[in-house]
Amino acid sequence: DTGVSQDPRHKITKRGQNVTFRCDPISEHNRLYWYRQTLGQGPEFLTYFQNEAQLEKSRLLSDRFSAERPKGSFSTLEIQRTEQGDSAMYLCASSYPGQGAGETQYFGPGTRLLVL
Amino acid sequence: GQSLEQPSEVTAVEGAIVQINCTYQTSGFYGLSWYQQHDGGAPTFLSYNALDGLEETGRFSSFLSRSDSYGYLLLQELQMKDSASYFCAVKKDSSYKLIFGSGTRLLVRP
Repeated sequence: DTGVSQDPRHKITKRGQNVTFRCDPISEHNRLYWYRQTLGQGPEFLTYFQNEAQLEKSRLLSDRFSAERPKGSFSTLEIQRTEQGDSAMYLCASSYPGQGAGETQYFGPGTRLLVL
Repeated sequence: GQSLEQPSEVTAVEGAIVQINCTYQTSGFYGLSWYQQHDGGAPTFLSYNALDGLEETGRFSSFLSRSDSYGYLLLQELQMKDSASYFCAVKKDSSYKLIFGSGTRLLVRP
């Protein structure tokens, strides 16, 4: 399978703990995105990378959230001091510029986080 | 700011045609995408419009009117497997991110 992969698929944690999620994009894709989705809503943009550079970050992303893409391949999203409101599906997507400005984003299966 | 509006739910019969509308308000609009998401699954790309008019891909078509800030997704010859949530998403000219609507849940009945 050469699609976008995410790990873990499910995470249950207690409030106040730190969690880290990993995303492996499609290998030739240089753009990588993180979104958050809650039940009954559309994905909500968090941040995106072009290669290793983090080019945009949502204002909704508090200081407790940090993302990295150190070698321009996989990415990690860390949430520190989790809160119950962080419970959501965290989706990763990737794209490549060869498709033009309307390039398709390919989504991974997501990491479902539950904060107790 | 920006906003997208689409109906929350649509029900249709197998074999029928259904249209899911999307209106948007955003500065710097560049293009409109449509994604399908089955329960528990990942969003999957369906179509993209940057110019006015109709784009056809098999049973699915998408339309855009930039002057009306309006688009729709047309699904023909509905099948049970089309039961899913459908999201319109705006791309702005200043960014590669997508801004999603809250989705339309389509239920296809026999």
